[in-house]
Amino acid sequence: EVQLVQSGAEVKKPGESLKISCKGSGYSLTSYWIGWVRQMPGKGLEWMGITYPGDSDTKYSPSFQGQVTISVDKSSNTAYLQWNSLKASDTAIYYCARTVINRWYDSDSTISREVRYFDYWGQGTLVTVSS
Amino acid sequence: SFELTQPPSVSVSPGQTASITCSGDKLQDYYTCWYQQPPGQSPVLVIYQDNKRPSGIPERFSASNSGNTATLTISGTQLMDEADYYCQAWDGSLLLFGGGTKLTVL
Repeated sequence: EVQLVQSGAEVKKPGESLKISCKGSGYSLTSYWIGWVRQMPGKGLEWMGITYPGDSDTKYSPSFQGQVTISVDKSSNTAYLQWNSLKASDTAIYYCARTVINRWYDSDSTISREVRYFDYWGQGTLVTVSS
Repeated sequence: SFELTQPPSVSVSPGQTASITCSGDKLQDYYTCWYQQPPGQSPVLVIYQDNKRPSGIPERFSASNSGNTATLTISGTQLMDEADYYCQAWDGSLLLFGGGTKLTVL
């Protein structure tokens, strides 16, 4: 059974650092990217970035580039989301999710079409930043 | 890149058909998927690659993608289907979500 288990809720003060985790099991972690998604209170889903456990390659959404650090430890099957200096506006639920990436190629080996979506989600980690 | 636009809310009576739209420029050129998020829970994938259902998702969930609009259809809507629904697509460089639609079953 595929499972993504996230670390527990956190309450932090502005300016503090934080690292939350997402441990995968039940599948080959080097076969899938892991993504992070933010959901601010009462709001929708926002893609933050993805990381590949096989080689730690990481891609960020422009909206989150430089604001957070995504990392992964292949040996422990765990992905991480980290802040160096939290702000009150970082208050949100953060989800990790297994990312499916499929590509179709033209006869000249160029990518003709690509799909990315999240097929399994963690339970979410609530981060509250308040003075 | 483009934006994905969903209606904020849709209402449906139990047993009837609910349709939730997701609009974006030339959306048919991009595979679309749909997530269901019940209140207080994590999102669940209900449709991927425009119209495919993951294992365990009831047959009453179906979807299409044509022109500028993708549509999620729930046939014989049940009370348990009341949730927020999000469309999502990959535009080649960005993974985008629609703003979400609250489905009310009453």
